[in-house]
Amino acid sequence: EAQVTQNPRYLITVTGKKLTVTCSQNMNHEYMSWYRQDPGLGLRQIYYSMNVEVTDKGDVPEGYKVSRKEKRNFPLILESPSPNQTSLYFCASSPRDYSYEQYFGPGTRLTVT
Amino acid sequence: AQSVTQLDSQVPVFEEAPVELRCNYSSSVSVYLFWYVQYPNQGLQLLLKYLSGSTLVKGINGFEAEFNKSQTSFHLRKPSVHISDTAEYFCAVRDDYKLSFGAGTTVTVRA
Repeated sequence: EAQVTQNPRYLITVTGKKLTVTCSQNMNHEYMSWYRQDPGLGLRQIYYSMNVEVTDKGDVPEGYKVSRKEKRNFPLILESPSPNQTSLYFCASSPRDYSYEQYFGPGTRLTVT
Repeated sequence: AQSVTQLDSQVPVFEEAPVELRCNYSSSVSVYLFWYVQYPNQGLQLLLKYLSGSTLVKGINGFEAEFNKSQTSFHLRKPSVHISDTAEYFCAVRDDYKLSFGAGTTVTVRA
């Protein structure tokens, strides 16, 4: 089954404790992206990657890091999480065509206390 | 940069009644538009998309949307909703290498 998977689905952590949210897709998509969803704000892009070893900032990159060492994986790293990073996070992938229609993972709900 | 405005944050509707969710986008030469649905505790699923061609686009679950270039709108409609249509709906537009999303419209269907 074609899908985007994320782990963990739920995470509660404390301020300053480094964490990684994994994302993997099995559709051989070149493009991958991370979004955060907050009430009343819709989804905002954090980082994206056009291909292996190619990443770039989205609209809200502060406090986040990413890497793209393999085509299928695109982990999101919070080196020192803060309470304002409490949010619902989605990973997405897309073929690099003209529409950039994106396929989303199930989401990771992160709470930073 | 492209932007999207969803004009209604909440839409309550009775079962079997029609529903329309309004979406306006900032104008551009080429526009690629999407509607996604998010059921409770799930990820986003594509309902339909407009890439080119016919301005009336049909999607899954009986939804359709009409692209109106002169009014820069892409409103979503369903003639008769079910309880299972209770969800949050997002309009999105391609914006460089990402999708720009509206703030979302929560549809609550009541019996």
